[in-house]
This record gives sequence, C-alpha cells and structure tokens, in this order.
Amino acid sequence: DAGVIQSPRHEVTEMGQEVTLRCKPISGHNSLFWYRQTMMRGLELLIYFNNNVPIDDSGMPEDRFSAKMPNASFSTLKIQPSEPRDSAVYFCASSLDRLEKLFFGSGTQLSVL
Amino acid sequence: GENVEQHPSTLSVQEGDSAVIKCTYSDSASNYFPWYKQELGKGPQLIIDIRSNVGEKKDQRIAVTLNKTAKHFSLHITETQPEDSAVYFCAAKTTGTASKLTFGTGTRLQVTL
Repeated sequence: DAGVIQSPRHEVTEMGQEVTLRCKPISGHNSLFWYRQTMMRGLELLIYFNNNVPIDDSGMPEDRFSAKMPNASFSTLKIQPSEPRDSAVYFCASSLDRLEKLFFGSGTQLSVL
Repeated sequence: GENVEQHPSTLSVQEGDSAVIKCTYSDSASNYFPWYKQELGKGPQLIIDIRSNVGEKKDQRIAVTLNKTAKHFSLHITETQPEDSAVYFCAAKTTGTASKLTFGTGTRLQVTL
C-alpha cells in the first residue's frame, strides 16, 4: 500500500484565496483525520471522520475551514478565504480503529502571503 | 479536557547512549498511550504504543513504561543511533463517547557521533 497520500505537497497562495487540500486514506481504513502542525501550537486535530461521517469537528478554527469526505477513499480540507495565520503544515491521517494506530501522510506545507 | 506535558523539549545524546523522554497526563481515565516519531519533512510515524492495563512494553531498542498511579509514561531508547534523531511525540487517548487523542509538544532528539 502507498500509505496516506496528500496533495499538493506545497501550496503558496495569497491572502483571500481559496485553498483546497486533498487526502487519500489507506484502503480499508475507516477513520480519517485532519491535523494542523505549527511551532506555536504543535499538532492540533481539526476534524475526524469515521465511516465518512464527521465525529469531532471541535478543532476547526472557524467558518473559513470546511472538510468533506464524499467517499471512503477521498477527503478535502478547504480554507476560504485564506489568511496568513493559516500558514502551517496540514496532515491527513487514517486508521482502522478510530483514535488508535494512526498512519500519517507526508503533509501539505501551506504558506499564505 | 486532557492535558499532556512532555519533557524535555530537546535532548542530545551520544551515539550508543540511552535516551529517555517523559510525559504526564491529566485524565486518569485515559487508556491508550502511543509514541510517534517525526523525521524532517515527513508525517509522524507510530513507533510503539501501550494500553493502561500494561506497565511496560518493549520492541527491540525501544520501550515504553506506564505508571497509572502517577499518570506518567516514558519512552526509552537504548543504544541510540544517528537515525534515531527526530522529533518524538507522546499522546494520550481519553475514553468515553467524546474520546480524544491529545499529543504532547514534542521532544527533538539529536544523536551525535
């Protein structure tokens, strides 16, 4: 298996633009997670899905952030409009067993200018 | 909610020496404690985990110990090698319907020759 696949690897955009991050989880995994990593705040859970249904979105910063999981093999995290403070590395992870044994992707480095 | 504290934030050891990283957690009902290793430019990777009904677990050169009474757990790496250099994160999972996985702030381990 190729592991969790995220795209793009790097994204540079201007403030106010829409950003869409993509994730393909490991086949057969039924839980999917979006994390944000910054020096100041460490690893923060934004949202987690189980069987394509959002279970915990308490970490989504505000209405500018939205996440979807239309099927078991694809998820998106959208930021609209983007702001400089959204600059971070965004990780997608998947697991077979909810909050245990997470497999992380390589991340998307987002820079909002 | 759960609070996980991790120490030290940086650790430098000579190749062949042992390294110990410690974490404390606040929710006595937490029952699952994983450790992740993050290399530069990559996502965190699970290296070992332990459940609350076990006091110690080993996997080759790494081991994790758990003291439920004191609410702390530690990662031990013996015979360190340069490839052990990375950032290590501990985490704790709470139980119940609103179960959460909370990460520590990370320890940057440098193994010098």
